[in-house]
Amino acid sequence: DQQVKQNSPSLSVQEGRISILNCDYTNSMFDYFLWYKKYPAEGPTFLISISSIKDKNEDGRFTVFLNKSAKHLSLHIVPSQPGDSAVYFCAASQNNNDMRFGAGTRLTVKP
Amino acid sequence: DAGVTQSPTHLIKTRGQQVTLRCSPKSGHDTVSWYQQALGQGPQFIFQYYEEEERQRGNFPDRFSGHQFPNYSSELNVNALLLGDSALYLCASSLLVGGTDYGYTFGSGTRLTVV
Repeated sequence: DQQVKQNSPSLSVQEGRISILNCDYTNSMFDYFLWYKKYPAEGPTFLISISSIKDKNEDGRFTVFLNKSAKHLSLHIVPSQPGDSAVYFCAASQNNNDMRFGAGTRLTVKP
Repeated sequence: DAGVTQSPTHLIKTRGQQVTLRCSPKSGHDTVSWYQQALGQGPQFIFQYYEEEERQRGNFPDRFSGHQFPNYSSELNVNALLLGDSALYLCASSLLVGGTDYGYTFGSGTRLTVV
């Protein structure tokens, strides 16, 4: 049962443009959402998070938007850089327990 | 396809005890990685198993040990539990090809509480 879905397995963007990665969830009890970045042959690294009491969280070039009514969150990267090329995982949890991950979106930023 | 399954989902242990967590990889995967995620932090890499051997190891003490079985499933053992070991333990499986892991898939984790 996939409670967290990333429907785009891959995304290609030109350097300097905006990258938008999307994530949908089905469980309305989720109250904490995270994005992770993973380079090949490395473990995932935490990128940015948002709790359900907010609808936006910003950290440098990275912004996460949460639309609770649509059960949708997105990660915006502006401007995109070639070093951002990686697999991005969306994750959701309730009370930071039982974390559910999406399948990941492979972002390629072309110079 | 059940994906990556971890058991148990929740566990409470006393300081000094030992614990074993289990992970079954996604079908077709041959590599299992373990992570510790403390509250509010990103996952910290513990170790990775491939062909029943520890392939890579993060900065964790020897109290943390593991095993991989011929069917690719894996166990994480923690001895002499400390309060600081309380965390969400995540397992991820993948297929290792030419030194790169593909199809990285996470389990939903085991919440360990040490009291």
